[in-house]
Amino acid sequence: GQQVMQIPQYQHVQEGEDFTTYCNSSTTLSNIQWYKQRPGGHPVFLIQLVKSGEVKKQKRLTFQFGEAKKNSSLHITATQTTDVGTYFCAGPSSNTGKLIFGQGTTLQVKP
Amino acid sequence: SAVISQKPSRDICQRGTSLTIQCQVDSQVTMMFWYRQQPGQSLTLIATANQGSEATYESGFVIDKFPISRPNLTFSTLTVSNMSPEDSSIYLCSGGSSVNYGYTFGSGTRLTVV
Repeated sequence: GQQVMQIPQYQHVQEGEDFTTYCNSSTTLSNIQWYKQRPGGHPVFLIQLVKSGEVKKQKRLTFQFGEAKKNSSLHITATQTTDVGTYFCAGPSSNTGKLIFGQGTTLQVKP
Repeated sequence: SAVISQKPSRDICQRGTSLTIQCQVDSQVTMMFWYRQQPGQSLTLIATANQGSEATYESGFVIDKFPISRPNLTFSTLTVSNMSPEDSSIYLCSGGSSVNYGYTFGSGTRLTVV
């Protein structure tokens, strides 16, 4: 079945360092979505990428969608303690309306 | 985007009992889902809640254990039946108008079965 893989599982960085998480799908996706879950919180929708090769920025966060629409990345520049949490990528399952979530990358930021 | 109110936020239940979790959406949404999440883990989809008809369950989840209702486009419930300690987890509902616009999550229910 359709799978979405995400690496790394955990990342510890010093505040001010950059961070990147990578997402790979077993199938071509119509879009890729990113969610952030703060410790003790619930997932919150961050952004959606639709076009092949698309790049979107939200302040220090840069999201990319691969040319083949099977992979994606999230890059955070100069991390801050407010960036702590788990970042999930998710892709739609064909014709069902369901989202297939990656395993998530948990980011810890040391002040 | 829609706002989802989920309750209860947490509960401690005796084994063998049942708990019903409710999600109320502030606007009509086409799709609603129920997930389970163990601490530090990803989201496991339990079922898609279908308005006016039986839910569509994922492999490993059955209606007798997790009955779901969705009487209209703004409300859904999940019941965890005949609970055992293995059912201790965080349960989340999610919804939205289309998978192409992102989904909103409820704040979650932290369930502990003793």
